[in-house]
Amino acid sequence: DAKTTQPNSMESNEEEPVHLPCNHSTISGTDYIHWYRQLPSQGPEYVIHGLTSNVNNRMASLAIAEDRKSSTLILHRATLRDAAVYYCILSFTNFGNEKLTFGTGTRLTIIP
Amino acid sequence: DGGITQSPKYLFRKEGQNVTLSCEQNLNHDAMYWYRQDPGQGLRLIYYSQIVNDFQKGDIAEGYSVSREKKESFPLTVTSAQKNPTAFYLCASTVDRGKNQPQHFGDGTRLSIL
Repeated sequence: DAKTTQPNSMESNEEEPVHLPCNHSTISGTDYIHWYRQLPSQGPEYVIHGLTSNVNNRMASLAIAEDRKSSTLILHRATLRDAAVYYCILSFTNFGNEKLTFGTGTRLTIIP
Repeated sequence: DGGITQSPKYLFRKEGQNVTLSCEQNLNHDAMYWYRQDPGQGLRLIYYSQIVNDFQKGDIAEGYSVSREKKESFPLTVTSAQKNPTAFYLCASTVDRGKNQPQHFGDGTRLSIL
């Protein structure tokens, strides 16, 4: 399985943008890049996913490098509710073998 | 509101005892999953099911069993063969496995050994 590498922790000030990096140098052409976040004692929450093009939704933006070896999750204006562990995950589209492999993620702290 | 309900929130197991964790979804999703999370770690896949009456082992299936008799239900049994069952267990579902749809998670069951 292709692996992802994320910083263990990051801090950001409230109401400022946050850029969470993810490296995935062994990504294959059919791997999608997913981001989930998890609050303490809760299940993960889907944030965004993409294949090649940059993606935007109401929660965040996903910027994917041209060579797809890295990506960045962008929270445009951080709030205290955005404090969570953020997971960058690759998923392979194959009816026989799709799964999400979660690493240890990045713990994001928001400073008031 | 549609979603995934896991119960109980906390569960205690005695030595040699089997326990069953409940997972129910009213999202009309075809695929369902069970994950295990240990403190400070990511999630590891235990079992998954693409359709009713079908399920497959994940990465750490030993000591666990599942059933999928109804589309909306996917219970997980932690058997006495699982020697280190203390963990946070998460159930998830997705519309159609294999098409990169987001997974929806429940709020988990925390299992501890008495």
